[in-house]
Amino acid sequence: DQQVKQNSPSLSVQEGRISILNCDYTNSMFDYFLWYKKYPAEGPTFLISISSIKDKNEDGRFTVFLNKSAKHLSLHIVPSQPGDSAVYFCAAGENNNAGNMLTFGGGTRLMVKP
Amino acid sequence: DGGITQSPKYLFRKEGQNVTLSCEQNLNHDAMYWYRQDPGQGLRLIYYSQIVNDFQKGDIAEGYSVSREKKESFPLTVTSAQKNPTAFYLCASSMDRVRYGYTFGSGTRLTVV
Repeated sequence: DQQVKQNSPSLSVQEGRISILNCDYTNSMFDYFLWYKKYPAEGPTFLISISSIKDKNEDGRFTVFLNKSAKHLSLHIVPSQPGDSAVYFCAAGENNNAGNMLTFGGGTRLMVKP
Repeated sequence: DGGITQSPKYLFRKEGQNVTLSCEQNLNHDAMYWYRQDPGQGLRLIYYSQIVNDFQKGDIAEGYSVSREKKESFPLTVTSAQKNPTAFYLCASSMDRVRYGYTFGSGTRLTVV
C-alpha cells in the first residue's frame, strides 16, 4: 500500500512558465513533508519542506502548498528554468513522534524546455 | 566538510559473485539507510539501521545483507541470491527527527556482466 503517491510520472513545461508537481498521501499521522530533487546518477538533494502547522512555505522560486484536509501537497516552481529538469520526490514522516523514517513517493520527472 | 560518501561510483559484478558497496558518513547521524533505484522507478528501501549493531529489513531486503559495526559505516552486500542486482544504489543518513530530512550519498551504479 503506497502511503505517498506522485501520480504524474513526468511533466513537461516551457522555460519561464510555472511547474506544478503534485503529491498525495494517505497516512493522517504524517505531519512533515519534504521535497527532494534528483539528477541522473546523483543522490537526491533536499529542496524544501513544510510542517503540517503551515499551509505554505516559500523559498525563492520554490513554494510548497499543503492541503491537510485533502491530504495533498504540491510544489510550484516559478519561473521554471532548464536546470530544474530533474526527478522530484516528495517524502512524508511523523515529526512529532520519536523516529525518523520518511516515506517517499515514486517521483515525477520534470522536463523544462528552453 | 561533513557528508556521506559512497564508493565506488561504478561497480561491475560477474554473475554469482557477492559485492559490497561502501557507505561512510561523518555527520554523526544515528540512522542510515540503503535504497535501490531502477530506471524510471522510485526509491525502494532495502535495509535501515537506527543505531549501531542493529538494523531492520526494508521492503526489498531479499538477496542483500548489511552490517552496522560503527556509527559511521553501513556497508551493503549484494549477494548472488539477488536475482536482478543491476541498479543504482543510494545510501542515506539522518538525525532523530524527520524534519531534518535525509542526507544522501552520490550513489553507486552496479552492473552485472
